[in-house]
Amino acid sequence: GAVVSQHPSWVICKSGTSVKIECRSLDFQATTMFWYRQFPKQSLMLMATSNEGSKATYEQGVEKDKFLINHASLTLSTLTVTSAHPEDSSFYICSAFPGQRSYEQYFGPGTRLTVT
Amino acid sequence: DQQVKQNSPSLSVQEGRISILNCDYTNSMFDYFLWYKKYPAEGPTFLISISSIKDKNEDGRFTVFLNKSAKHLSLHIVPSQPGDSAVYFCAASPRRETSGSRLTFGEGTQLTVNP
Repeated sequence: GAVVSQHPSWVICKSGTSVKIECRSLDFQATTMFWYRQFPKQSLMLMATSNEGSKATYEQGVEKDKFLINHASLTLSTLTVTSAHPEDSSFYICSAFPGQRSYEQYFGPGTRLTVT
Repeated sequence: DQQVKQNSPSLSVQEGRISILNCDYTNSMFDYFLWYKKYPAEGPTFLISISSIKDKNEDGRFTVFLNKSAKHLSLHIVPSQPGDSAVYFCAASPRRETSGSRLTFGEGTQLTVNP
């Protein structure tokens, strides 16, 4: 149990376009999902906390207008990178929090974004 | 301000021996700690956790030790297997409630287990 999927697994887009990444909890409901970003050989940096039915909470330094997060249901959160630039190229990972069942977050497989 | 630090970027051990991965933290508000394992181009997978009311938690080959006074925790893997080769992240949370606590991650340690 506790499976989290992400789609797409990788995407290449042109500078200036927008890209949407989906995060789904497949076998549990997640009131809270988290979005992380990982640069090569670095740690996972929390970008934002996504709560179902409410606005996301962004970490300091993360542009909320650039990284749009929508947590429309208890099993789906989306991250849209708007007007992407090459410096947005990174590995984006989501996690979902089952809540009552455990304290651990379960991570998706990640999405590799390359902006050309 | 790196609140969770893993000072060893890499560790290499022989198959069958013990692997010890270390993690230090600075925020005294952290009271729940987790270890995750990550393969390249994949999301982290949860390994083991410990709350601050304990000093040891064991699950099969994996044992986590917590020294709260020293703000230090370690993950012991014994015996180490080649399949354990991955990046291991230490993470900490300020709360133990079931309300979706934020995790702060260390930089990770690349473990290589040689056959």
